[in-house]
Amino acid sequence: ETGVTQSPTHLIKTRGQQVTLRCSSQSGHNTVSWYQQALGQGPQFIFQYYREEENGRGNFPPRFSGLQFPNYSSELNVNALELDDSALYLCASSWGSNQPQHFGDGTRLSIL
Amino acid sequence: AQSVTQPDIHITVSEGASLELRCNYSYGATPYLFWYVQSPGQGLQLLLKYFSGDTLVQGIKGFEAEFKRSQSSFNLRKPSVHWSDAAEYFCAVGMDTGRRALTFGSGTRLQVQP
Repeated sequence: ETGVTQSPTHLIKTRGQQVTLRCSSQSGHNTVSWYQQALGQGPQFIFQYYREEENGRGNFPPRFSGLQFPNYSSELNVNALELDDSALYLCASSWGSNQPQHFGDGTRLSIL
Repeated sequence: AQSVTQPDIHITVSEGASLELRCNYSYGATPYLFWYVQSPGQGLQLLLKYFSGDTLVQGIKGFEAEFKRSQSSFNLRKPSVHWSDAAEYFCAVGMDTGRRALTFGSGTRLQVQP
């Protein structure tokens, strides 16, 4: 069974640019959650998609947006990048409300 | 709002020694509790989870955790630590397991001395 895969693994951008991060959920998983992990911190919830609809959002501004596709893969888009957006972005997939979230290895985003 | 506190930022133990990592949570209802481990440059791997029932839960790699409602704690234990256990450990709380956001603590970095 293929786990959660994220691309790219590393990315360098400059302030003001836009970025798209991608996530392929684990086979059979219909829910995808995105988390931001700043250096030395625990992950913070950005938002979640369930069956292509946003199913909850954390305390992140609207320039953080997402999509989920019919095959349950997902994208995280960030506009107008700021230096504080530098972090590890983690994607997690799950199936149902009683199954745990499985995480990918993340995308390391650096903003110069 | 739910929150998680991991009081120990950094712990060093000798290989073969026992380990206990502390986790306290704040949550208004019966929580779903998790421990995840993160090696450098990697994502999070689920060690164990508590939903209900037996308050002592067993996980992978020889880890266990005990849910104590009266203390709002969910401490992680291992009787004998191996050098490969060196990593960052995160406690998390959620309203359920997969359909809601998880709230994570700030993590405890475990160093293992030979």
